[in-house]
Amino acid sequence: SAVISQKPSRDICQRGTSLTIQCQVDSQVTMMFWYRQQPGQSLTLIATANQGSEATYESGFVIDKFPISRPNLTFSTLTVSNMSPEDSSIYLCSVIEGWGNQPQHFGDGTRLSIL
Amino acid sequence: QKEVEQNSGPLSVPEGAIASLNCTYSDRGSQSFFWYRQYSGKSPELIMSIYSNGDKEDGRFTAQLNKASQYVSLLIRDSQPSDSATYLCAVNIRTREYGNKLVFGAGTILRVKS
Repeated sequence: SAVISQKPSRDICQRGTSLTIQCQVDSQVTMMFWYRQQPGQSLTLIATANQGSEATYESGFVIDKFPISRPNLTFSTLTVSNMSPEDSSIYLCSVIEGWGNQPQHFGDGTRLSIL
Repeated sequence: QKEVEQNSGPLSVPEGAIASLNCTYSDRGSQSFFWYRQYSGKSPELIMSIYSNGDKEDGRFTAQLNKASQYVSLLIRDSQPSDSATYLCAVNIRTREYGNKLVFGAGTILRVKS
């Protein structure tokens, strides 16, 4: 399966700042997604990153807070804006390589702590 | 009712035993089901996919699906301490707004005691 690289792997940020997380795949993929996993919790889908158009956000997540780009079939970014301690989480990129009901594969995640 | 439900555990089994992990889901129209393993501090890793009713075996792992009962399970035979992890059930749920969406259960913590 595709190799998925996320950067940074972890960061500690100040309240009110923004951080951009990158997700790079070594081959073209059909779908890319961004998830959040809060401490001790399961995964929550933030949005589907659409190539060449605006991301599709889940209920409770908005573009102003979590702007997403996907300029091509191998790369996407998620920005966490105006961060607060409540944004401390693991952020995960996932991809689907084929069509139909194919499984998602995850990057290693970005562990984000907000002071 | 949650869309995907799992017992959070922890489920403790002795080494060499069979571990049985269960998951129920709410959408009768769901067509694809997945089990992920997540070690502490790591990202989820796909271990099984199942799409049809019945059993699917892969090494020590067997996934079982019963669409009529909206139930999917994972059996781990000859459990090893290295199997100790959180197991996440994930189901493709149909949504009116977004098409299919993968929804994760809360996860079951498995502890295999040597």
